[in-house]
Amino acid sequence: QVQLVESGGGVVQPGTSLTLSCAASGFPLSNYIIHWVRLAPGKGLEWVAGLSYDGYSRYYADSVKGRLTISRDTSKNTVYLEMSSLRPEDTGVYFCTRVVGTPHYMDVWGKGTTVTVSS
Amino acid sequence: SFEMTQPPSVSVSPGQTATITCSGETLGEKYICWFQQKPGQSPVLIIHQDFKRPSGIPERFSGSASGNTATLTISGTQAMDEADYYCQVWDYDTVIFGGGTRLTVL
Repeated sequence: QVQLVESGGGVVQPGTSLTLSCAASGFPLSNYIIHWVRLAPGKGLEWVAGLSYDGYSRYYADSVKGRLTISRDTSKNTVYLEMSSLRPEDTGVYFCTRVVGTPHYMDVWGKGTTVTVSS
Repeated sequence: SFEMTQPPSVSVSPGQTATITCSGETLGEKYICWFQQKPGQSPVLIIHQDFKRPSGIPERFSGSASGNTATLTISGTQAMDEADYYCQVWDYDTVIFGGGTRLTVL
């Protein structure tokens, strides 16, 4: 069964760090592009970061560039989102999603993990 | 940067047709995806490549594109279709979402 499961969310103070995980099952991450998308309270979906299928290319939204890092461990079939210098506006539910097809589309999504940045 | 505009809200009566638009400069040069998201749930892909429907998505959902506007049409709208809907495109290797449209089935 093809599945993505996010974890690692929590309540943290501004300026601190947090690492989210996205564990894949039913398919090898090494063959797929994976992206992170977040949903802030009362707002719409916002793309955050993406990792190419070969793991070499990383892409970031301007709002998180320099503070978030996307990476993966193929031996664990897991993608990570390392978050530092967290701000209240980073609060939201973070989803990871698999990208397939040409042209690309996001076909599988995890249930999300919640990050709350508050003092 | 590339932006797409959606109406914040659309209302429809059960059984009627709902249309949600998504517009943006040069949108006609890109392929459109549409997602449905219900409260507390993850997004669900309902349309890709402008009009293609993934398996398991009801036929009442259809997509079209003309010029710089894409349209999601829900025929015979049901109460279960009440949700937020987002258009989405790729801008090279980055992802752009429209602001989202809340569909209310009255």
